[in-house]
Amino acid sequence: NAGVTQTPKFQVLKTGQSMTLQCAQDMNHNSMYWYRQDPGMGLRLIYYSASEGTTDKGEVPNGYNVSRLNKREFSLRLESAAPSQTSVYFCASSEAGARNIQYFGAGTRLSVL
Amino acid sequence: GENVEQHPSTLSVQEGDSAVIKCTYSDSASNYFPWYKQELGKRPQLIIDIRSNVGEKKDQRIAVTLNKTAKHFSLHITETQPEDSAVYFCAASIGGSQGNLIFGKGTKLSVKP
Repeated sequence: NAGVTQTPKFQVLKTGQSMTLQCAQDMNHNSMYWYRQDPGMGLRLIYYSASEGTTDKGEVPNGYNVSRLNKREFSLRLESAAPSQTSVYFCASSEAGARNIQYFGAGTRLSVL
Repeated sequence: GENVEQHPSTLSVQEGDSAVIKCTYSDSASNYFPWYKQELGKRPQLIIDIRSNVGEKKDQRIAVTLNKTAKHFSLHITETQPEDSAVYFCAASIGGSQGNLIFGKGTKLSVKP
């Protein structure tokens, strides 16, 4: 039982390049989330998926797209990376409901030069 | 929009002392308030949570209190130890969402031996 797995762990991109961050969970959770973490800013929600087949914007969606491939997998795509997207990205999943405990992946540290 | 304010941003205590971190939230419909601990370079992990129908909850050296009227909730750590050093995030559920959370900006706690 690995929990939430993110790949890659580290990535360096040049401005304008594209990439996809992968996330998979093996806890049979319905809800999945993508956050970015910047120094002094806490965790900010980029996109979320309440259930398989649905996705919605969070607080900071501009410059990102997501795909809920199936119940296990939720990917985040940067179509044209910008230096402002340099951050640590966390994927999380939860059962949702009254006690929404979110379980986080280990994170992806992304640098855009 | 919804907001969670967290104070202080940094906190330094001597080993054995108590530490208190405070949060306020803006969404009257929030009904779930988790606290996450993030050690350096690691993922955030839930340490304690409270629902709106409860005023206080304890788990060994950690306790959380909630004042719904004032929209305040606090984390109390007693008999602090060096391994308590980390960044702590409070969060509040967003009313009417599928379990989304909005996070505070974090408190960096340092426990000096």
